[in-house]
Amino acid sequence: DAKTTQPTSMDCAEGRAANLPCNHSTISGNEYVYWYRQIHSQGPQYIIHGLKNNETNEMASLIITEDRKSSTLILPHATLRDTAVYYCIARRITSNTGKLIFGQGTTLQVKP
Amino acid sequence: EAGVAQSPRYKIIEKRQSVAFWCNPISGHATLYWYQQILGQGPKLLIQFQNNGVVDDSQLPKDRFSAERLKGVDSTLKIQPAKLEDSAVYLCASSSVKSGAAANYGYTFGSGTRLTVV
Repeated sequence: DAKTTQPTSMDCAEGRAANLPCNHSTISGNEYVYWYRQIHSQGPQYIIHGLKNNETNEMASLIITEDRKSSTLILPHATLRDTAVYYCIARRITSNTGKLIFGQGTTLQVKP
Repeated sequence: EAGVAQSPRYKIIEKRQSVAFWCNPISGHATLYWYQQILGQGPKLLIQFQNNGVVDDSQLPKDRFSAERLKGVDSTLKIQPAKLEDSAVYLCASSSVKSGAAANYGYTFGSGTRLTVV
């Protein structure tokens, strides 16, 4: 599975949109981009995933560039409860194991 | 639906002692994973089960770690003997989709067991 690169940390003001970037320049055509987050003292939580098209759900939006080398997770109106570590993962859909490989992630701090 | 249950929530042991962690996945989930998360790092996969068979244990330190999933439901992860560097949170996750299928695998994580080795 392709390696992903994320900034170590980011700040966001409460009520504003949080835009979390992820670089996956070596992603292959059959790899999805997944986003998970981990709130302090909890296990990781699934947010969203996509292959080529932009995706939106009740939690967030995922914008994937046309060349698929990078993506951005958007939390439209960040709240204090969105403070967490956010992981961007490239995952092959034909993987024999289906495992998630986590990197260091981005620590998002939402400030009042 | 009930989530992934793990116990104990916290455990403190001395080095060279043994310890066991228990995981009860979501009912009907065939795939179960154990991850180790050291402070400040992302979770690292230790072992994956499909029903009661091991799919991937390439990252499991087999000289001291062992895991089993009898009857394809509950799972136990054991460390014997523990070392200081085993201090971490041990996360269990389960999935409802068989390996190799497309789209979201439906991973659900438990809250983990925080192990401190002194």
